[in-house]
Amino acid sequence: QSALTQPASVSGSPGQSITISCTGTSSDVGGYNYVSWYQQHPGKAPKLMIYDVTNRPSGVSDRFSGSKSGNTASLTISGLQAEDEAHYSCSSYTSTGTYVFGTGTQVTVL
Amino acid sequence: EVPLVESGGGLVQPGGSLKLSCAASGFAFSGSTMHWVRQASGKGLEWVGRIRNKANNYATAYAVSVKGRFAISRDDSKDTAYLQMNSLKTDDTAVYYCSRTSPGSAWFDPWGQGALVTVSS
Repeated sequence: QSALTQPASVSGSPGQSITISCTGTSSDVGGYNYVSWYQQHPGKAPKLMIYDVTNRPSGVSDRFSGSKSGNTASLTISGLQAEDEAHYSCSSYTSTGTYVFGTGTQVTVL
Repeated sequence: EVPLVESGGGLVQPGGSLKLSCAASGFAFSGSTMHWVRQASGKGLEWVGRIRNKANNYATAYAVSVKGRFAISRDDSKDTAYLQMNSLKTDDTAVYYCSRTSPGSAWFDPWGQGALVTVSS
């Protein structure tokens, strides 16, 4: 199972919006609405930010939103803040009953 | 209270074995599917494998990269999951996290703080 493809880095200025893509295949991202997104600060454990493509867990800012089109899922961060600077990973359930993560994206707030 | 706590990491030589533990608290461990996910330094997350609950016969599944070398088990009486790692390679060097998915869900939450495994001679 190949890792889902994410851009290595995305940057934006405070207040701007950025979007991180997560591209897979019809056997994972495109086949199920089971995409989730995780935020990870240096030396810390991942934190769930979005589940089932579009849903936000309680306590996660509404500046974070998710979507999907075909084999590509996206995470959008609006009103970018300094605290959003972190590593972001997507994940998807797969047709073999396993899971696959994305290659990861480093978000930099300029 | 920290929901998941990993232990057992350390330095091991190539070809050696190591067993990690993941102690759970504060949620219904016995009904959960438990997963192991690893992250090499500077790299992305990699799903390692999972063990389902008793109702699903404790079924296990593994990533191709570890199949046949790693084994996941659980002890519901101790709210603990395990990752037995054999025939370790230098490429297995990573921080290993445990996490869970609830029945019917496909997202990982919560996560442990991670255990560092270093495979080196």
